[in-house]
Parts: sequence; structure tokens; C-alpha cells
Amino acid sequence: AQSVTQLDSQVPVFEEAPVELRCNYSSSVSVYLFWYVQYPNQGLQLLLKYLSGSTLVKGINGFEAEFNKSQTSFHLRKPSVHISDTAEYFCAVSAPGGYNKLIFGAGTRLAVHP
Amino acid sequence: GAVVSQHPSWVICKSGTSVKIECRSLDFQATTMFWYRQFPKQSLMLMATSNEGSKATYEQGVEKDKFLINHASLTLSTLTVTSAHPEDSSFYICSAQTWTEDYNEQFFGPGTRLTVL
Repeated sequence: AQSVTQLDSQVPVFEEAPVELRCNYSSSVSVYLFWYVQYPNQGLQLLLKYLSGSTLVKGINGFEAEFNKSQTSFHLRKPSVHISDTAEYFCAVSAPGGYNKLIFGAGTRLAVHP
Repeated sequence: GAVVSQHPSWVICKSGTSVKIECRSLDFQATTMFWYRQFPKQSLMLMATSNEGSKATYEQGVEKDKFLINHASLTLSTLTVTSAHPEDSSFYICSAQTWTEDYNEQFFGPGTRLTVL
């Protein structure tokens, strides 16, 4: 079975500052890793994913994440945030094959202040 | 492409009534759809996996007789909350899965806010 831990429930940051949202996972098999963003009262939008290959993954809206197998981490970063990045961010894991069911972390609320 | 819609976007109902929520994949066919439940300020919890033409597979702790799922076609799955109670009030999100690149990707609907009075 897989599990995901998002280490910060809330991350406040000023506009144009860099940000890192932390995610650790646990799995006995190889996994796919994802970051999703959720704006208020909306569904989820995929920011980026790691399936295999390069451990540095670039996504939409200037976000990137690095897969670190030895530390079982998949932290999300952005060098300069905007007010519009204020949202809930979810890290998720799935095991390849089958239905590719997603297991989500508890979420991190990113609050960007002017 | 890969758009998923949900209807209604919000619904208020009286305790004891049933509510149906529709999930549609608008521009692709989805053999598998998923239903999630999200409480305020919490994560998404998978309720069930729905496959076209077969019975849904429910996660542990989810009452299948209360949350009826029908996946009648490759573009439509419905979730019916039967005999709704206030504790069923939640945000329900569906996703539809299709093969992209080299894995089965889930595309999420915008969610349905259910309030049971």
C-alpha cells in the first residue's frame, strides 16, 4: 500500500518570493507521483507528474518538482509566486498498472500575500 | 481536450430524500471513473471505482447501498446519495480516466457541493 505525507498544512509567503511545498511518500513498489492544485469550490488540476526518467519535472504555471528516491520525496517548488497561486495543493501517488488509483496527501494551503 | 463535467454544481436537499449527481467525460471515452468525497479543508477520499457496464468497487467503509453508482456508458457515471442525512453533506468530485502518453490519467470534474438540511 502507498501513503503520502504533506509536511505543511499551510504555507504563507509573500508575492514574488520562492516557495517549496513538501511531500514524502511511502511505498513498497515503484510509484507514479503527482501534484494537483485546487482552487476554491473547484476540482483538481494537474500541475505535474513523475512517471519515470528525469527526476526534475517541470509543470504548468512555472512549478517544478524533484523526485528523490532515496529520501522518498517529491517536493514542489516555484522560484517566484503570484497572488493567483493562492490555492490548495495536493501531492498524490499511484502504483503503475491496474486502475492507477490515486492516494492523496492531506493538502497544503498556499497563501500568497502582497 | 479531456474535459469532465459534473451536474449539478451544487444542490440542497431535505433529509431523507435522494440526490443524483452526474459525471460526464465530454470529449473522450472513459472505461473507468472514480468518485471522491472531500470534507472542508480536508483531502480527497476515494469512495468507489466505477467501470462501464459492471458494478462499482467501493472502498472500505463506504456504504454501497447508500451511495449508488451507475456507469451506464463510456461517457456517463452517476452517483445517487440515497436517504440523505446532514452528515452526507460534502463536496463530491468525480474523475474520468483515459490513456495518455504512457499511463492512465485521471481528469477531474469541477465537483458538486451537497448540502443536506
